[in-house]
Amino acid sequence: EPEVTQTPSHQVTQMGQEVILRCVPISNHLYFYWYRQILGQKVEFLVSFYNNEISEKSEIFDDQFSVERPDGSNFTLKIRSTKLEDSAMYFCASTTGREQFFGPGTRLTVL
Amino acid sequence: AQRVTQPEKLLSVFKGAPVELKCNYSYSGSPELFWYVQYSRQRLQLLLRHISRESIKGFTADLNKGETSFHLKKPFAQEEDSAMYYCALSEQDLPEKLTFGTGTRLTIIP
Repeated sequence: EPEVTQTPSHQVTQMGQEVILRCVPISNHLYFYWYRQILGQKVEFLVSFYNNEISEKSEIFDDQFSVERPDGSNFTLKIRSTKLEDSAMYFCASTTGREQFFGPGTRLTVL
Repeated sequence: AQRVTQPEKLLSVFKGAPVELKCNYSYSGSPELFWYVQYSRQRLQLLLRHISRESIKGFTADLNKGETSFHLKKPFAQEEDSAMYYCALSEQDLPEKLTFGTGTRLTIIP
């Protein structure tokens, strides 16, 4: 059964560094999402992406964040200059329009 | 603004006993409600959605628009039900973002 994959599973970075989190959505899916979950808190929506552009973004998704679908398969989240408070689990999800399928997540630790 | 409330962070239930995980929501449009489950060291996965009205792994949930609730129930808990459960909502019929509750960790006591 096809699955959403994410790499890396764990990323450690220094404050101020750029990170790129990678996701490979399920191949026939058209809608892509990033969510994050700070330890002990709820899963929060960051951004949705459809037809090669952002369709919606949350207040969290400020100028430090960007998303890209550089080829037909990858979907990336870039954080330009990481802050301590960016430490969280980041989940990618994709859908054809019904059920959202989630990846296993990338744990980002900012030191 | 849409909001999902799960009042219980932790819930422990004896094996064979009934389970009810509470979920209340506030939303001005036509919501679609979901329950997602995350077993230990696994990814978030859909358990059920109110539109399909299915029973998955013995769990059911009924949307009560009057009480704005979508409680998850199972008559007889099993050990493999131990997991983190998240209630979520989105706009009906659209591939919209999910708004999650804070989750309830369910532990089944053998």
